[in-house]
Amino acid sequence: QVQLQESGPGLVKPSETLSLTCAVSGGAISSYYWSWIRQSPGKGLEWIGYMHYPGTTGNYNYNPSLRSRVNLSLDTSKNQFSLKLSSVTAADTAVYYCATIKSGGGAFEYWGQGTLVTVSS
Amino acid sequence: QSALTQPASVSGSPGQSITISCTGTSTDVGTYNLVSWYQHHPGKAPKLMIYEVSERPSGVSYRFSGSKSGNTASLTISGLQAEDEADYYCCSYAGTLTYVVFGGGTRLTVL
Repeated sequence: QVQLQESGPGLVKPSETLSLTCAVSGGAISSYYWSWIRQSPGKGLEWIGYMHYPGTTGNYNYNPSLRSRVNLSLDTSKNQFSLKLSSVTAADTAVYYCATIKSGGGAFEYWGQGTLVTVSS
Repeated sequence: QSALTQPASVSGSPGQSITISCTGTSTDVGTYNLVSWYQHHPGKAPKLMIYEVSERPSGVSYRFSGSKSGNTASLTISGLQAEDEADYYCCSYAGTLTYVVFGGGTRLTVL
């Protein structure tokens, strides 16, 4: 079974770039569709984007509300999936999850435990 | 405000059945049979309980079932157990641009 573990700075300053990594074990990163999802304090879940190998045009999609600030990438040598979110504000404070997308689409099969990122000066 | 509407909380006693509703629109729940449900115990990884409206992943108890009528999907949990106490989220495919939308979540309390 695929296991996912998010990691990255827990505190990011406003206007800077949030960078997170999802380490994958139990499966090859080239075999799945990958997604980032976040949950702001006291709020519901929000899909950020997805990507699948090789990560080129046509192999990814971003939430329209975040598209101008999001960049996803895959590192097959490290079996990792990464998120960069630029120009962050307090509204980007959230628990960030990485997840696989179940074949057939629209459902998230395996999830990491999530990592809390706080945006504050 | 979440795109899909769920009740903030539901409760039931052990052994009872409860149903959580998830109301969307004709651009998501009403059009696509790609509704999924997630169980989330705080501090843990969310768990996929139902996909494609009513399919259960391997290992998920038969006590969990899903259905859909029009723009509303539902998750039913029968034979409530203490371990079912958690937050539950619905999710629906909403087309290639938006991809998916989530509900705001429902806190299930087992009395």
